[in-house]
Amino acid sequence: NAGVMQNPRHLVRRRGQEARLRCSPMKGHSHVYWYRQLPEEGLKFMVYLQKENIIDESGMPKERFSAEFPKEGPSILRIQQVVRGDSAAYFCASSSGQGNEQYFGPGTRLTVT
Amino acid sequence: GQQLNQSPQSMFIQEGEDVSMNCTSSSIFNTWLWYKQDPGEGPVLLIALYKAGELTSNGRLTAQFGITRKDSFLNISASIPSDVGIYFCAGRLETNAGKSTFGDGTTLTVKP
Repeated sequence: NAGVMQNPRHLVRRRGQEARLRCSPMKGHSHVYWYRQLPEEGLKFMVYLQKENIIDESGMPKERFSAEFPKEGPSILRIQQVVRGDSAAYFCASSSGQGNEQYFGPGTRLTVT
Repeated sequence: GQQLNQSPQSMFIQEGEDVSMNCTSSSIFNTWLWYKQDPGEGPVLLIALYKAGELTSNGRLTAQFGITRKDSFLNISASIPSDVGIYFCAGRLETNAGKSTFGDGTTLTVKP
């Protein structure tokens, strides 16, 4: 039973480019959460999605960031016009229900040059 | 917003020693979680606590959910080199639609 998969594991973008991060939840999980981690800090919640719906996006920056979880395919976290401050590790977690355990993927490390 | 204060920030111990770390919050949580993160990987859930006062063990790890619901601790007994990593506490409120609030982590170094 494969765990949460994220790709790419490492992503380098120049300032102004777009970054697309993908997350495939565990089999049978329909709830996805995105977190951001800066060096030497804990994970900060960004957004919670169920299939085709955004449930809570209270942690998402108001501009340039968007997330989706379509009926088919992985969840996508999209960052437009990246800036140096977007450099971080982005983790996806999935669960089988809102109050159930969240299992984390290995993360995507975004570096903006 | 809710914040968790996790301490200590880092620990350097000798193999075989016991370790204790804790988290406190100014607001209550319904669930406390403890994770371990290895370099370059995502957090792995160690222990989940669901009731105030609950004491739960997982091998050499023991964690407790504080009676006030505003704190939790994690103990590791007889540490071994593979315990090295960053340990995070996280709290969750059911009304927060499942999102977890994380502490800033305790970095554990174990000297053989």
